[in-house]
Amino acid sequence: DAKTTQPTSMDCAEGRAANLPCNHSTISGNEYVYWYRQIHSQGPQYIIHGLKNNETNEMASLIITEDRKSSTLILPHATLRDTAVYYCIVRVAHISSGSARQLTFGSGTQLTVLP
Amino acid sequence: GAVVSQHPSWVICKSGTSVKIECRSLDFQATTMFWYRQFPKQSLMLMATSNEGSKATYEQGVEKDKFLINHASLTLSTLTVTSAHPEDSSFYICSAPGPRAPLHFGNGTRLTVT
Repeated sequence: DAKTTQPTSMDCAEGRAANLPCNHSTISGNEYVYWYRQIHSQGPQYIIHGLKNNETNEMASLIITEDRKSSTLILPHATLRDTAVYYCIVRVAHISSGSARQLTFGSGTQLTVLP
Repeated sequence: GAVVSQHPSWVICKSGTSVKIECRSLDFQATTMFWYRQFPKQSLMLMATSNEGSKATYEQGVEKDKFLINHASLTLSTLTVTSAHPEDSSFYICSAPGPRAPLHFGNGTRLTVT
């Protein structure tokens, strides 16, 4: 799986957009970008994923650069409850079975939303 | 939907005793489940892959005789920490591939060994 690089920490004011970058310069053509977050003392929560097109759901938007070497997760109106560690993970999609379906977590970005 | 339930959420045990942690997929079947461990201020590290009806596979450095995994049904995997010691104190998290995400995670079990 391609390695990802994320800033260690970021702050964001409540109500403002939080933009979390991720570099994945060695991503392969069949690898997706997945974002998870982990609120303190909880299990990781899936947020969004994409291949090459921008994606949006009820939680966030994902912007992937045209060369796919980096992406940005956008929380449009951050709240205090969005304070968490955000993980960007690259992995091949559509694995039918077995241990390859696991996800490898890096260090992530600690996002702190400030009141 | 696509919920993974993990129990207990926290447990305190004495050194030398064993602790069992359960992981259930509530509304989907999971032939494979993954067990992760997370020490304070660190990221999640995969411990083992639990396979329904067959032996678990363990990551390098994880003792299979200490961390017993049983995956007897399509919705239940258990992790037993045998003869627990204080260095086994950690946050244990299970997960399963599911319908709406590559992995759905339980809420973790905080194990403290005294």
